[in-house]
Amino acid sequence: QSALTQPASVSGSPGQSITISCTGTSSDIGYYNYVSWYQQHPGKAPKLMIHEVTNRPSGVPDRFSGSKSDNTASLTISGLQAEDEADYYCSSYAGSGALVFGGGTKVTVL
Amino acid sequence: EVQLVESGGGLVQPGGSLRLSCAASGFTFSDYLMTWVRQAPGKGLEWVASIKEDGSENYYVDSMKGRLTISRDNAERSLHLQINGLRAEDTAVYYCARGRASLFYWGQGTLVTVSS
Repeated sequence: QSALTQPASVSGSPGQSITISCTGTSSDIGYYNYVSWYQQHPGKAPKLMIHEVTNRPSGVPDRFSGSKSDNTASLTISGLQAEDEADYYCSSYAGSGALVFGGGTKVTVL
Repeated sequence: EVQLVESGGGLVQPGGSLRLSCAASGFTFSDYLMTWVRQAPGKGLEWVASIKEDGSENYYVDSMKGRLTISRDNAERSLHLQINGLRAEDTAVYYCARGRASLFYWGQGTLVTVSS
């Protein structure tokens, strides 16, 4: 149950695209297609943005997209907007009922 | 509308115990696996425990095994987390969430502070 690895911070200007990486192992991200991404604004509960690697829940803008290659998952935000400034967390199912999260990435809109 | 409302947090002394609760509404509670996630002040998210739809299986984070008991009452549509032997490092906001691999809905969280 080791944490997934995310960059501490990523920044971009409005309208630009940014990508957040999330690196795990062959026992979690590399084995299961159960990668999720959560957005969290200060003082708020996390919000699911992407589930099962690429799927967006209803209501999430299509500017948000997910992908996975080997042991690394990625979240891309296209057309960055001011309201996208938040913390983002990845997670993966790790087997035996366990879920593992990344350390979080602070996204700053310049 | 799906709602999850946690309660039971507060200030507790080191070594003490606490029972957190989560009241669910707006969906068929017994159809879903439920999960607890915590977040220490200024830190990231950490999965704590999950319980199957019928309560037949429980899953716990290795670092807290032996101190946790997750339970549910499907008739009352409630989820519970008993934490024993509380330590300063257990200070966190505890969230209940619906699901396991994908947590579609979250409560607002309840703050547990462990301090003397």
